Amino acid sequence: DIQMTQSPSSLPASLGERVTISCRASQGISNNLNWYQQKPDGTIKPLIYYTSNLQSGVPSRFSGSGSGTDYSLTISSLEPEDFAMYYCQQDASFPYTFGAGTKLELK
Amino acid sequence: QVTLKESGPGILQPSQTLSLTCSFSGFSLSTYGMCVGWIRQSSGKGLEWLANIWWNDDKYYNPSLKNRLTISKDTSNNQAFLKITNMDTADTATYYCARSRGYFDFWGPGTMVTVSS
Repeated sequence: DIQMTQSPSSLPASLGERVTISCRASQGISNNLNWYQQKPDGTIKPLIYYTSNLQSGVPSRFSGSGSGTDYSLTISSLEPEDFAMYYCQQDASFPYTFGAGTKLELK
Repeated sequence: QVTLKESGPGILQPSQTLSLTCSFSGFSLSTYGMCVGWIRQSSGKGLEWLANIWWNDDKYYNPSLKNRLTISKDTSNNQAFLKITNMDTADTATYYCARSRGYFDFWGPGTMVTVSS
């Protein structure tokens, strides 16, 4: 199985701040890396697919980059609704695997 | 508009079989390339992919659950199903279904399943 190591696990940040969340795969995943946001009520929505493609309806302050084994999600200027959990996921091979999550919280 | 919604028993006893239903609209599982997957999340923990089923009835399972999983579909009624045998307290979780295009582009709200004697 491909292990996904996400960091940091917790990220205190302020409104308007730029933040980056990292995700490292245990082997190359050829850009097959996706990012999701989970709100406290459990609702999950996709943000970025295939490393850098913005899901329809997702604000442009979200962006993704990376290659090989190392990927990142950047939020350029935090809005109140961005404080949530974030997960990376690889779909390069089965079984699909997720990172352990990053809790983005208000500083 | 794509929507999905999970339904399940809420609570069951150890060793019982869990049966989950994913009812969806806005797409058809008979359409080329379409796929539905199941993912679960234990309380306060991360996401675990369980299984996927494709339009052509191809299926993939998470080997960590060995032979306990069975995924199926009813194309006519726009539903997908997941059965998990021999449930244990460790299987207590929120279970999600989602449309899959490699990534999961639409998710249901999840259904909570508690395993308790």
